[in-house]
Amino acid sequence: TQLLEQSPQFLSIQEGENLTVYCNSSSVFSSLQWYRQEPGEGPVLLVTVVTGGEVKKLKRLTFQFGDARKDSSLHITAAQPGDTGLYLCAGPGSSNTGKLIFGQGTTLQVKP
Amino acid sequence: EAGVAQSPRYKIIEKRQSVAFWCNPISGHATLYWYQQILGQGPKLLIQFQNNGVVDDSQLPKDRFSAERLKGVDSTLKIQPAKLEDSAVYLCASSSLRGGGSYEQYFGPGTRLTVT
Repeated sequence: TQLLEQSPQFLSIQEGENLTVYCNSSSVFSSLQWYRQEPGEGPVLLVTVVTGGEVKKLKRLTFQFGDARKDSSLHITAAQPGDTGLYLCAGPGSSNTGKLIFGQGTTLQVKP
Repeated sequence: EAGVAQSPRYKIIEKRQSVAFWCNPISGHATLYWYQQILGQGPKLLIQFQNNGVVDDSQLPKDRFSAERLKGVDSTLKIQPAKLEDSAVYLCASSSLRGGGSYEQYFGPGTRLTVT
């Protein structure tokens, strides 16, 4: 069974601080995605990482895919209140049908 | 481009009652997904349609949940009878699977169900 475990589950920081969220699995994934979900809304795709060791940047967000394609991290530099939300990692299921397996999410609260 | 539409946004029912949710995916998206998201958890796939056929319903509690996508466009998810543990947000997503294995899914705003 493919599982994605995220840590930490909850993070509360002050504006301007840096943080890293981790997504780990014992299974190899062909790709991993990161979504952000705001209260009352559906998840919105931030990035897809495909190649082992790949690093992608989206403004103050840096995403990395592990060399073995079993883990990923999301680093936010100088967090802002607008970064508040639920961050979800997801990977394709082994059946190759387009199904996504989601981690349990990391709730980030950035206080002004 | 219009996004994924869902209705209603909120629903409160008593246990043992029935409820139905509606989803209209992005135009042209052949694949439609229904997820259940319990508070503080990630979404869990309930059922996946490709056009009007079911691709995966392995985690759908079929004794009480049903879903259909008769014309391959919009879809309904029904719960009958509802239990307290069905309280969750029900998310609909759609995708247009592209060559190379891109799995980008577009989500609707969800329906928040409270069962009392």
